[in-house]
Amino acid sequence: QLQLQESGPGLVKPSETLSLTCTVSGGSISSSGYFWGWVRQPPGKGLEWIASIHYSGNTYYNASLKSRVTISVDTSKNQCSLILNSVTAADTAVYYCARRVYGGHVDSWGQGTLVTVSS
Amino acid sequence: DIQMTQSPSSLSASVGDRVTITCRASQGISNYLAWFQQKPGKAPKSLIYAASSLQSGVPSKFSGSGSGTDFTLTISSLQPEDSATYYCQQYNSYPLTFGGGTKVEIK
Repeated sequence: QLQLQESGPGLVKPSETLSLTCTVSGGSISSSGYFWGWVRQPPGKGLEWIASIHYSGNTYYNASLKSRVTISVDTSKNQCSLILNSVTAADTAVYYCARRVYGGHVDSWGQGTLVTVSS
Repeated sequence: DIQMTQSPSSLSASVGDRVTITCRASQGISNYLAWFQQKPGKAPKSLIYAASSLQSGVPSKFSGSGSGTDFTLTISSLQPEDSATYYCQQYNSYPLTFGGGTKVEIK
């Protein structure tokens, strides 16, 4: 059974860099049929898509974050990573890893990891 | 970007009621529409994709319909475990965008 597990620091200081990793088990991140990505949810608010990547290297970013975000995959570790630079309090959120069927819908989610930006 | 507008933003209904949530896209998205259920402190759960296809393992009391710009999610007989926030999402084009959510409460 597919499992997505997010990991990363729970607390990041303003202006610093946030790094998150999604470890995939029960499936291969190198499968051609899927994109891997990140969605975030500020406390008490709705869902915001951040970025998606195919193992072949195709990437898509939310334009509102594109200048600060990098998404990547490590096929040897079966992991997807997200880097968000120059964070502010507005980046405080639960960050979810998600799998999207190629050309289709999101069908699997990680449990999420809360990241708080505070000094 | 395609804007997704859900209504109502919240509703309260009784056990056994039929509940309908609507989602409108700012431009046509064919049937590239998904619905998710999210309970407090939990990750979203995929319910419906392609506007009307039930995700594996989701009970048949959930159904979806629509195409183009207007979509609905229906819960045929509301149960206490259905208390949650429901989100629609379009995947017709990037950026993927979500509706603002509909919070469903049990009277």
